[in-house]
Amino acid sequence: DSGVTQTPKHLITATGQRVTLRCSPRSGDLSVYWYQQSLDQGLQFLIQYYNGEERAKGNILERFSAQQFPDLHSELNLSSLELGDSALYFCASSPSPPRPEAFFGQGTRLTVV
Amino acid sequence: AQSVTQLGSHVSVSEGALVLLRCNYSSSVPPYLFWYVQYPNQGLQLLLKYTTGATLVKGINGFEAEFKKSETSFHLTKPSAHMSDAAEYFCAVRKSNTGNQFYFGTGTSLTVIP
Repeated sequence: DSGVTQTPKHLITATGQRVTLRCSPRSGDLSVYWYQQSLDQGLQFLIQYYNGEERAKGNILERFSAQQFPDLHSELNLSSLELGDSALYFCASSPSPPRPEAFFGQGTRLTVV
Repeated sequence: AQSVTQLGSHVSVSEGALVLLRCNYSSSVPPYLFWYVQYPNQGLQLLLKYTTGATLVKGINGFEAEFKKSETSFHLTKPSAHMSDAAEYFCAVRKSNTGNQFYFGTGTSLTVIP
């Protein structure tokens, strides 16, 4: 158990809908990362938050947004869903320096039908 | 920009044989390096990491990796493969431990043949 909790584990929704994925980082970790994993794209970095502030942005679509709340949990919002958004979405958290590693949650499997 | 290259998207070894998974990175400064393992329908689990100091790093499940700055490589090895080692392995790099993102390779799927 990495200590990173993601809910829900599975999500099935229709095209055009909006969903919210939730992540609770390890206790004390200030950084949260979101990744998308699909068969054809591999592991794609979406966005990073550090203590509530956006720190880095990757290949995140405009239809997607995220935020990190004062209690450090994070949410990834996906809207106007398309079939191609079906993927595993991972959240990871990272301890404060000097530890550089990230710990991953079990992921949310999103299926868009 | 940093990048990570994993040579061989699929590697097959016999049970008991040496496992060698290759990873090369591009970075203007010595980075932090990681290997993660992903079992089916699970998240990524940290196998080992290199930060500073000793270039041969030992991880969990008998895996180890060697940081070779001159070759910009961080190959993962295990002397004797077990069936339970079958999984996807990802190499990753991070420039610093102060907020920079992680860059992942495309992954290597390891098959262990009985």
